[in-house]
Amino acid sequence: ETGVTQSPTHLIKTRGQQVTLRCSSQSGHNTVSWYQQALGQGPQFIFQYYREEENGRGNFPPRFSGLQFPNYSSELNVNALELDDSALYLCASSLGGVEVYNEQFFGPGTRLTVL
Amino acid sequence: LAKTTQPISMDSYEGQEVNITCSHNNIATNDYITWYQQFPSQGPRFIIQGYKTKVTNEVASLFIPADRKSSTLSLPRVSLSDTAVYYCLVGDTYSSASKIIFGSGTRLSIRP
Repeated sequence: ETGVTQSPTHLIKTRGQQVTLRCSSQSGHNTVSWYQQALGQGPQFIFQYYREEENGRGNFPPRFSGLQFPNYSSELNVNALELDDSALYLCASSLGGVEVYNEQFFGPGTRLTVL
Repeated sequence: LAKTTQPISMDSYEGQEVNITCSHNNIATNDYITWYQQFPSQGPRFIIQGYKTKVTNEVASLFIPADRKSSTLSLPRVSLSDTAVYYCLVGDTYSSASKIIFGSGTRLSIRP
């Protein structure tokens, strides 16, 4: 167990809808990263938040957005869902900052299915 | 960020030592090498990290040659529970702006 929790576990949406996924970081961690993992592929980096500010973004369109709250929990929002958004969404927390060992602790993921 | 290349899959037997090699020809001076393990329907789990030479922990060893253009994850005496996907990642972990790039990983299958 990493101490990182995600909700919901599974979710089914239809094309065009919006979805919000939630992540609770490991205690003391101030950095959260979100990844999308399609079936049979490695996780693809979406974005990272450090102390409530976006701190890097992967090759995902603006309809993927996020928030990090003062307690370092986080949300991933996806608007205008497309069929290709069906995937396992992972969040990972870490202790960021300069010269800090930056091991990432992953949650169990949310399985999103878009019909 | 440096790109990594790993074998797509490997097979071995219980009790054997398994070595998975990763190529990262464009590794930068500040980059570290990190290996993660992932079981189906779970998030990746950190195994080991190193910068050069050899690193060993309770579950694995990581061998990095002097030129750092490759690395080898060594799993001693594997068991069925080591069946998983293993990812080699290269990046600067000493920055709050770091992000980790996962490749497709190596699917390791352990047989009785």
